Amino acid sequence: SQKIEQNSEALNIQEGKTATLTCNYTNYSPAYLQWYRQDPGRGPVFLLLIRENEKEKRKERLKVTFDTTLKQSLFHITASQPADSATYLCASTNAGNMLTFGGGTRLMVKP
Amino acid sequence: ETGVTQTPRHLVMGMTNKKSLKCEQHLGHNAMYWYKQSAKKPLELMFVYSLEERVENNSVPSRFSPECPNSSHLFLHLHTLQPEDSALYLCASSPTRVEGGELFFGEGSRLTVL
Repeated sequence: SQKIEQNSEALNIQEGKTATLTCNYTNYSPAYLQWYRQDPGRGPVFLLLIRENEKEKRKERLKVTFDTTLKQSLFHITASQPADSATYLCASTNAGNMLTFGGGTRLMVKP
Repeated sequence: ETGVTQTPRHLVMGMTNKKSLKCEQHLGHNAMYWYKQSAKKPLELMFVYSLEERVENNSVPSRFSPECPNSSHLFLHLHTLQPEDSALYLCASSPTRVEGGELFFGEGSRLTVL
């Protein structure tokens, strides 16, 4: 079955370092991947979209890559700050054209 | 402020109650969605409406009944729920249902079923 998966373990890093989160998909080839940020008790907020023909996309301190060979997207936050602490979700449409989300990875940036 | 407003933000109900969740979007979008987010589980798509017409019902139990009276409003009617239905219910909208469109989420309605 088609799956989109993220590391469910929390990622703890020191302020100023680069955080790297992983999103893997299996049994399908999405045309694009989206990344969202979700703070506790709040709805997800869209961050970036990357298409299959784009290797990399940047927005301020954020960078997303899309590797169709590895079936993986990496989400990077450079010069991380405590305010970046949140859960980050990746999403893509499946064969039924429904936007499907991964389980999210919680990021904790320590001062 | 995302332009998508959900009420109530918190709801506690017994298994025999009937209640409704409301979502309103001020973005002029044509597609609206209900998602369920349970603890330690990915967001689950429940319903999709496009131009007020339901285009997806993702095998959701009949105790959840959606209603979309116009393109700005979406309701989720709840009746005879089970404790396992306790979750954060998120409403979202997008300009259209075209693939690749980002979703704009509301803050969610936290539902507790006793």
